[in-house]
Amino acid sequence: DQQVKQNSPSLSVQEGRISILNCDYTNSMFDYFLWYKKYPAEGPTFLISISSIKDKNEDGRFTVFLNKSAKHLSLHIVPSQPGDSAVYFCAARRPSGTYKYIFGTGTRLKVLA
Amino acid sequence: ETGVTQSPTHLIKTRGQQVTLRCSSQSGHNTVSWYQQALGQGPQFIFQYYREEENGRGNFPPRFSGLQFPNYSSELNVNALELDDSALYLCASSFGSGNLYEQYFGPGTRLTVT
Repeated sequence: DQQVKQNSPSLSVQEGRISILNCDYTNSMFDYFLWYKKYPAEGPTFLISISSIKDKNEDGRFTVFLNKSAKHLSLHIVPSQPGDSAVYFCAARRPSGTYKYIFGTGTRLKVLA
Repeated sequence: ETGVTQSPTHLIKTRGQQVTLRCSSQSGHNTVSWYQQALGQGPQFIFQYYREEENGRGNFPPRFSGLQFPNYSSELNVNALELDDSALYLCASSFGSGNLYEQYFGPGTRLTVT
């Protein structure tokens, strides 16, 4: 049962344009959502997060939007840069006893120079 | 400040064998979480250790076990290896058991079971 889904395995965007990565979830009990970026041969690196009580969080070029009614979140990167090329994972935290962390399957972003 | 390190980088084992993977947490961190990332999948939570005690477990069988040492480094042990155990194993350290967003990942150990 995939509770966190990233339906686009890959995305290509021109440098300077907006990248939009999407994530859907099924469990309404998730209380925190995060995005991680992963380069080859490295572990995932935390990028940005959002609490379930908010609908937007911005950090520089990165903005995460949360639509709780649609159980959907998205990561916007503006402007996209070639160094943003990586695999992006969304993750959700389930607050039951010890926190359980559920990751999506990832979207590979390629920013074309 | 030393980041999260894992050893070995790569490992090849035969089905039925046992394996031990190691993780050194980032300085000042007292919590280590282990994840399994199969090819084409996202990381799956195996378990977490907080102050040397298991503090939560995902849907993995008992042949996946772990330890955390007084210096907060950690081991993941897998017994009776199966072909499906082939994956990238990631550990992540943090300060406190709930701080997912301040969780720092190591580069992983790639395990191949033949």
